[in-house]
Amino acid sequence: QLQLQESGPGLVKASETLSLTCIVSGGSISSSRYYWGWIRQPPGKGLEWIGNIYSTGRTYYNPSLKSRVTISVDTSKNQFSLKVTSVTAADTAVYHCARQEAVAGTNDYWGQGTLVTVSS
Amino acid sequence: SYELTQPPSVSVSPGQTASITCSGDKLGNKYACWYQQKPGQSPVVVIYQDTKRPSGIPERFSGSNSGNTATLTISGTQAMDEADYYCQAWDSSTVIFGGGTKVTVL
Repeated sequence: QLQLQESGPGLVKASETLSLTCIVSGGSISSSRYYWGWIRQPPGKGLEWIGNIYSTGRTYYNPSLKSRVTISVDTSKNQFSLKVTSVTAADTAVYHCARQEAVAGTNDYWGQGTLVTVSS
Repeated sequence: SYELTQPPSVSVSPGQTASITCSGDKLGNKYACWYQQKPGQSPVVVIYQDTKRPSGIPERFSGSNSGNTATLTISGTQAMDEADYYCQAWDSSTVIFGGGTKVTVL
């Protein structure tokens, strides 16, 4: 059974960089059938797609976040990572990693999510 | 940028049918899927590729997608179906979410 687990600091200071890692178990991150993505949800609000990365290393980002976001993959560790620079309180959210199947983009497996709070 | 519009809330009586719409320009030309999210939990896909239902999802969940509108229908709604529902479109390797609809079973 595929499992995804987010890890990283739960508290980040404003203006600094948020860094999270998603460890994938039960399946290979190198499969060409899937993208690997990040999605966030501010408290009490809806889902916001951050971006994803394909097995080739090609990345796609939400235009509203593109200037501050980097997604990378480490196939040797079967994990992928997210960095968001210059964070503000608006970046406070539950951050989920997810697997997206490549045909229709369905996020078929999700991590449990991790709350990241940006403090001033 | 591409946008998807959902009604903020839908109310339904137990046993009745709930329909949730998701509107976007030429949405019928893209793949749509639907997620159910209960408080404190990660979203779960209930419909993918417009009309397909994952294993383990009850048959009362169905989907359609045509023109500018995708629709999630819950037939014979049960109390356990009370949740937030999000539509999603897939376009050029990017993901677009609707704003979400809170389904209340009265």
